[in-house]
Order: sequence, then C-alpha cells, then structure tokens
Amino acid sequence: AQSVTQPDIHITVSEGASLELRCNYSYGATPYLFWYVQSPGQGLQLLLKYFSGDTLVQGIKGFEAEFKRSQSSFNLRKPSVHWSDAAEYFCAVGAKNTGFQKLVFGTGTRLLVSP
Amino acid sequence: DAGITQSPRHKVTETGTPVTLRCHQTENHRYMYWYRQDPGHGLRLIHYSYGVKDTDKGEVSDGYSVSRSKTEDFLLTLESATSSQTSVYFCAISASEEETQYFGPGTRLLVL
Repeated sequence: AQSVTQPDIHITVSEGASLELRCNYSYGATPYLFWYVQSPGQGLQLLLKYFSGDTLVQGIKGFEAEFKRSQSSFNLRKPSVHWSDAAEYFCAVGAKNTGFQKLVFGTGTRLLVSP
Repeated sequence: DAGITQSPRHKVTETGTPVTLRCHQTENHRYMYWYRQDPGHGLRLIHYSYGVKDTDKGEVSDGYSVSRSKTEDFLLTLESATSSQTSVYFCAISASEEETQYFGPGTRLLVL
C-alpha cells in the first residue's frame, strides 16, 4: 500500500536560517505530490504541488520543493525562515492507479521558529 | 481562498447520539471530500463525492455515512457517535480528481 513518511515530528529553526522538511513516499507509479501548511486552529493551505515537468517547484511564501524520483522524496525548502512560518506542514501524495482523489497524507512536521 | 464553509465549527455530543456535519461550497466544484485529523495520523480520507448522489469510501469510512443531494452541499453523518470519533473534521473540494484539493476551516467534534 502507498504510504507517506515525514520523519521529523518537530523541527526548531532560528529565524533567518534555512529550512528543509523531509517527505518520502512509497508508490508504484509517478505520484502527484503536494505540500500543505496548517496554522493553529486553521484549515490546510496549499503551498505547492508537483504533477509533472520541472522537478523543482516554486510555491507561495518563498517555499520550494524538489521531486527526486531516485530517492522517492519531495523535500520542502525555504532559504530564510520567518517567525510567521511557524505551523504544521503536511506532505500528501496521490497517484493515478489508486485514484488521484484519494490523497494520502503524512503525519506532519511541526515547525517552531526561535528568535 | 476557496469558498468553503463548514458547520458547526464546534460540537460537543454524547456517545450514541447522531451527528451531522455540513460542508457548503460556492465554487461549483464536482468533487467534495471529508477527512478527519488526529494527532499522529495526519489527515485520513473518510468519504468523497464525485457528483450529486455519487459517493465512495475512503480509508476510514466505518461508522460514517455521507450524502450529496446538491452540488454545493456534502453532509457527513455519524449515525451513533463514539468516543473514537472525537476528531477535527475537514471538508475539501476540487474541480476534478486531478485538481488541487482546497480545504475548509474544520469542525472540532468532541464525543463524551
């Protein structure tokens, strides 16, 4: 069965430092990949997505992610973190063979930003 | 932001009582989804709909039913609520199965 792993439950980063959140997936086919962000008490907001084409994807709020097929990864990066980036981040995957509508989510990584 | 509202936003109920959560959209999107979010599990798909009166099960559908009589409304019903159904419930919509899913603000349900 397909699965998504976000190995880091919590990450603390100093404001202004760079950030990388890890996401690994297990799928047989080429996946559709997403990163969502959730602020406390809020719904999920799409940061970026990968369907095909250029494996480096740019998103909102200065985030980017790179699809690496050989590593089954889709890590999220930001060069300089702001205090407002503190939130929970979810990686999600869909695939044609299972139905794109049946997204599988990782368990999330909570980002803490220190002054 | 996608036009998605969920009602109620918060609900406390007792074990064994029926509960219905409503998702309303103003985007005329074909697909609608119900997820539950629990610590350590991320989001898990309960049911989804691909059109009026067309629904299918997700990963964690036991104990839940859904209905969609209009494009804009998708109802999630817990026929007899249990404490294990205490969770935050999110509705999502998408224009097609390959389009991005956009999420509503969530409903926090506590079953005592």
